[in-house]
Amino acid sequence: GENVEQHPSTLSVQEGDSAVIKCTYSDSASNYFPWYKQELGKRPQLIIDIRSNVGEKKDQRIAVTLNKTAKHFSLHITETQPEDSAVYFCAARPYFNKFYFGSGTKLNVKP
Amino acid sequence: DTGVSQDPRHKITKRGQNVTFRCDPISEHNRLYWYRQTLGQGPEFLTYFQNEAQLEKSRLLSDRFSAERPKGSFSTLEIQRTEQGDSAMYLCASSPGGVRLGSADTQYFGPGTRLTVL
Repeated sequence: GENVEQHPSTLSVQEGDSAVIKCTYSDSASNYFPWYKQELGKRPQLIIDIRSNVGEKKDQRIAVTLNKTAKHFSLHITETQPEDSAVYFCAARPYFNKFYFGSGTKLNVKP
Repeated sequence: DTGVSQDPRHKITKRGQNVTFRCDPISEHNRLYWYRQTLGQGPEFLTYFQNEAQLEKSRLLSDRFSAERPKGSFSTLEIQRTEQGDSAMYLCASSPGGVRLGSADTQYFGPGTRLTVL
């Protein structure tokens, strides 16, 4: 089955700096890669996603890049703000009915 | 609130008891997923429904777990003879499915049911 690894497990940045979270996957059949933000005690919420036929996608301060050859994808957050502090999860989907999640990155943005 | 809802939000039970959780997906979403999340970990896939059909079930799911979606709308997850290792947050998610590829796969999560087995 698919195996998704996520790094780093914790990330601390100064407000205004950029943050990068990286994930690798093992199953070349994976074709959809969403990223979720989960604040303490709340449900995961989709912040951006990318499909395997696209190399990069951007939405305001958030961007995701995908390297299918190397089987890794990354989340980039620019101009970080304290409200970006949360746990971020990547996921990979090899089949339409099954998602595999990374173990999460706790992002702390210091004001 | 037209999002995914789950009931109850919290459940405390004694080891050996049976528990049942309910998930109401977003209306007209035909895909429904159940996940388990433990502290410090990402959601772990348990099972998947396409309308009323259970099409996928994790091998991690023991025979004590069963899920249903009888009319293709709400779903229930039952855990029989609970064990302390079952303590976790149980999350439900739904997605539209269908042919609208742009948004068909987007999963919307419910608030979860936190289970504590004493």
